Amino acid sequence: EVQLVESGGNLVQPGGSLRLSCAASGFTFSSYWMTWVRQAPGRGLEWVANIKLDGSDKYYLDAVRGRFTISRDNAKNSLYLQMNSLRVEDTAVYYCARETHSSTRLDFWGQGTHVTVSS
Amino acid sequence: SYELTQPPSVSVSPGQTASITCSGDKLVNRFASWYQQKPGQSPVLVMYQDSERPSGIPERFSGSSSGFTATLTISGTQTVDEADYYCLAWDSSTYIFGTGTKVTVL
Repeated sequence: EVQLVESGGNLVQPGGSLRLSCAASGFTFSSYWMTWVRQAPGRGLEWVANIKLDGSDKYYLDAVRGRFTISRDNAKNSLYLQMNSLRVEDTAVYYCARETHSSTRLDFWGQGTHVTVSS
Repeated sequence: SYELTQPPSVSVSPGQTASITCSGDKLVNRFASWYQQKPGQSPVLVMYQDSERPSGIPERFSGSSSGFTATLTISGTQTVDEADYYCLAWDSSTYIFGTGTKVTVL
């Protein structure tokens, strides 16, 4: 059974940093692109970043490029999102999702982790 | 910035057909996927490559695409289908979600 479990969400002050993690199991992690998606309170889904199988390609939402870094450790079946210079508008539930890039689909999602940026 | 436009809401009676559109000029020659999200839950993939249904998704869900518009159709809509629905497409270096549609079954 495919499982994705996010962790690391917290309350942080503007300008602060957080590192989110996503532990994957039930599939060959190194065979899939992985994605982070967020959802601000009462708002729609927003794609944040994705990373290729071996980490060689990474893509970012314009609003987070230069502040967020996506990475993965295939030996640990884990995906990460390092978030620096956090802003109030980064407040959201952050989901990790398994991506099949060739058919542009996000076929399994985690339960999400809450990030609140507030003073 | 690039957008995928969906109707904010669609209302349907039980047993009737609900159609949700997703429009954007960059949908031409690009696949769309669709996600269902119920309150307090994570999104679930219900359609990919415009018209492919993942295993476990009921046959009443179908998809199509033509030109600038992708469409998710729910035939014989049930109360359990009440949810928010989002389309998604890849545009060379970014994914774009649609604006979302709340489907109400009443």
